[in-house]
Amino acid sequence: NAGVTQTPKFQVLKTGQSMTLQCAQDMNHEYMSWYRQDPGMGLRLIHYSVGAGITDQGEVPNGYNVSRSTTEDFPLRLLSAAPSQTSVYFCATRQGNQPQHFGDGTRLSIL
Amino acid sequence: GDSVTQMEGPVTLSEEAFLTINCTYTATGYPSLFWYVQYPGEGLQLLLKATKADDKGSNKGFEATYRKETTSFHLEKGSVQVSDSAVYFCALMPIQGGSEKLVFGKGTKLTVNP
Repeated sequence: NAGVTQTPKFQVLKTGQSMTLQCAQDMNHEYMSWYRQDPGMGLRLIHYSVGAGITDQGEVPNGYNVSRSTTEDFPLRLLSAAPSQTSVYFCATRQGNQPQHFGDGTRLSIL
Repeated sequence: GDSVTQMEGPVTLSEEAFLTINCTYTATGYPSLFWYVQYPGEGLQLLLKATKADDKGSNKGFEATYRKETTSFHLEKGSVQVSDSAVYFCALMPIQGGSEKLVFGKGTKLTVNP
């Protein structure tokens, strides 16, 4: 049982490049979310989904897109990377009122 | 809006010392409360939770009691170990439906020295 799998684990980009962070889950959870973690800021919600075909914005959505075409996958797209998007990104899932399950994170540096 | 405030770190203790990490919250009604732990280089893991007032969550020697009267959920451990070195996050899940927003505190880094 893999749980929540994030790929890649590390990535370095140049300013202006685009890329997609992958998140896959095998628990059939309804809810999936993307957070970014920055020093002294805790975790901040970027986008979330309450089921396939449904997404919504979180606290810091600018510069990011998401889609949820299947229950299992919830990719996060950076359209034009900026140094301010250097962060650690976490994907999380949950079912109903149960606690969230987190992936191991993707460490992204933008030069 | 809902918010979580936890004590600023970093916290440095010697092995076998007593640990308290304070957490207070502001929320409507009775949210569920959580402590998550993040070990170096890893994602967040649920440590313990409480879903209603006066509930005590416990796991791996850690405890926290949901105090509605003081809107607090302080994390305690009687005797810390080097392996407890990590960042600890207090969080709440709002009771209102329609939002996936789990509200986190900023995290408290704990270092335990031998």
